[in-house]
Amino acid sequence: AQSVTQLDSQVPVFEEAPVELRCNYSSSVSVYLFWYVQYPNQGLQLLLKYLSGSTLVKGINGFEAEFNKSQTSFHLRKPSVHISDTAEYFCAVSVGGGSYIPTFGRGTSLIVHP
Amino acid sequence: DTEVTQTPKHLVMGMTNKKSLKCEQHMGHRAMYWYKQKAKKPPELMFVYSYEKLSINESVPSRFSPECPNSSLLNLHLHALQPEDSALYLCASSVRTGGNEKLFFGSGTQLSVL
Repeated sequence: AQSVTQLDSQVPVFEEAPVELRCNYSSSVSVYLFWYVQYPNQGLQLLLKYLSGSTLVKGINGFEAEFNKSQTSFHLRKPSVHISDTAEYFCAVSVGGGSYIPTFGRGTSLIVHP
Repeated sequence: DTEVTQTPKHLVMGMTNKKSLKCEQHMGHRAMYWYKQKAKKPPELMFVYSYEKLSINESVPSRFSPECPNSSLLNLHLHALQPEDSALYLCASSVRTGGNEKLFFGSGTQLSVL
């Protein structure tokens, strides 16, 4: 079975500073990886996903993530955050051909201060 | 139309009440999902419907009863709930059930059981 670990429950950062949200996964087979964002009182929205190919994935709102197979990581980055990026961020992992429903990490709360 | 619409947005019910949550999408997606999300926690999968048939039931108590009357509509019938069932209930859809599929989430129904 696959699992995903988000090491940081909360990441405070000042506006216009860079940010990295960490995600590590474990799986015995090839995986698909996702980052979702949840704004207050909203559902989840897909930021980006890695299926195959280039290990650097670009998503919406200026976010990007890098798949690192040797370190089993899929960290999310943004070079300059905005107040509106304050939200809960969930990393998720899925496998094909078996359990196809994504498994979500516990979430990281990104808090952007002015 | 790229939305998943959930109604009502808020619901307060007593433990003896019967109520229903409704979810609708017109994207032609053939997989629909119910998730339960407690505050500051990741979404927990409850049910998956694939081509209007229940394909996954994650050992959810029988006081929750899902229904998929057609390919665009998903209901969750609630009866004799407990206070610990208070949570955000999220509906999602995807083109099909597959590991690399993007989930489209609704904004959820915030349920309070008194």
